[in-house]
Amino acid sequence: KNEVEQSPQNLTAQEGEFITINCSYSVGISALHWLQQHPGGGIVSLFMLSSGKKKHGRLIATINIQEKHSSLHITASHPRDSAVYICAVSPVGSNQFYFGTGTSLTVIP
Amino acid sequence: KAGVTQTPRYLIKTRGQQVTLSCSPISGHRSVSWYQQTPGQGLQFLFEYFSETQRNKGNFPGRFSGRQFSNSRSEMNVSTLELGDSALYLCASSLGTGTYEQYFGPGTRLTVT
Repeated sequence: KNEVEQSPQNLTAQEGEFITINCSYSVGISALHWLQQHPGGGIVSLFMLSSGKKKHGRLIATINIQEKHSSLHITASHPRDSAVYICAVSPVGSNQFYFGTGTSLTVIP
Repeated sequence: KAGVTQTPRYLIKTRGQQVTLSCSPISGHRSVSWYQQTPGQGLQFLFEYFSETQRNKGNFPGRFSGRQFSNSRSEMNVSTLELGDSALYLCASSLGTGTYEQYFGPGTRLTVT
């Protein structure tokens, strides 16, 4: 049983396209994190959300706590956005993280 | 401010051996978490330490252990290595957990032959 489900698993887009990655979770959470992992392994935290919406440059993350769902949007995608995007949740009352399986994004020039 | 550092970056060990990995958190961060990443299982939580205390442990066998020192540096140890332990081991530091942002180190890639 996966506490966190992500879709799609793989995504190929043309440069400039609008991209959406979805994350659903089944546990009560204190926060949801979107992470970016480039080839070679380094992971960067993009967003941490407990409600509403956050924006950073061309990236937007939203969360609906009632529906247990979050989306990561990339506007005007660029080849440098090519990476694996991972959704992770912090359950209420736990210091343990649960991770989605990741979405591998390739943006073609 | 220096980021999270992990040593060594790459390691090759033989089945049955043990290994110790090190993680130095960002200055001022008291929480260090460890994760295992494999192609088959993805990212999985190993354990989290805060102020030298293990606060939570993931679903891993007792061969996986860790500790945290008074300066917040952390080590994880894997004893009696198995081929399936080959993975990227990541640590992350933060001021706390849950609603605190995590800062990841570059990882240690362990290969067990």
